[in-house]
Amino acid sequence: DVKVTQSSRYLVKRTGEKVFLECVQDMDHENMFWYRQDPGLGLRLIYFSYDVKMKEKGDIPEGYSVSREKKERFSLILESASTNQTSMYLCASSLGAWGTANTGELFFGEGSRLTVL
Amino acid sequence: SQKIEQNSEALNIQEGKTATLTCNYTNYSPAYLQWYRQDPGRGPVFLLLIRENEKEKRKERLKVTFDTTLKQSLFHITASQPADSATYLCALLMDSSYKLIFGSGTRLLVRP
Repeated sequence: DVKVTQSSRYLVKRTGEKVFLECVQDMDHENMFWYRQDPGLGLRLIYFSYDVKMKEKGDIPEGYSVSREKKERFSLILESASTNQTSMYLCASSLGAWGTANTGELFFGEGSRLTVL
Repeated sequence: SQKIEQNSEALNIQEGKTATLTCNYTNYSPAYLQWYRQDPGRGPVFLLLIRENEKEKRKERLKVTFDTTLKQSLFHITASQPADSATYLCALLMDSSYKLIFGSGTRLLVRP
């Protein structure tokens, strides 16, 4: 069974703390993504990676960085957490190139709910 | 500006009826459109993909239509069941991008 695992379901951090959110997939997927989800705003893309050590900014990268040292692992880093980063964070992965043989399906983890006080 | 709109109000229907959810978009030219289901506190789960050159796609009780002229997709669940209660998200993919752009979702409630 395919799986995307996020390291923590719930975290509570203080303003200014450094926060690491870890994501591991066991499907040998090339692409990995970090989204945040807020009520009324839907899922917004923070960063994505289409290969090891490669990363691209999504729509809201400010205040975040990422690391992909191994194919199966994609980490999201909040260098100095702020209260407006309180959110649900969702990691996802997908196969490489899109096309007729590939639905481009995203496989999501269960999410990490971060509260910054 | 670019927008994806899904009805923010919950859709409340009786078991056995057909649920129809709408996804409208502006200033996008998607190559693909996907629908996901999300249960509370869980990550979204992929349901269906429809391509820009396809008018309709079916999977069991699910049917999706894609009208690139109207810039609209309709998602139907026939013979709805209480277990279909969830939030349904549409997502667009542009041809030359890896990025999926999501709508904010519509909550479906199916009454027994």
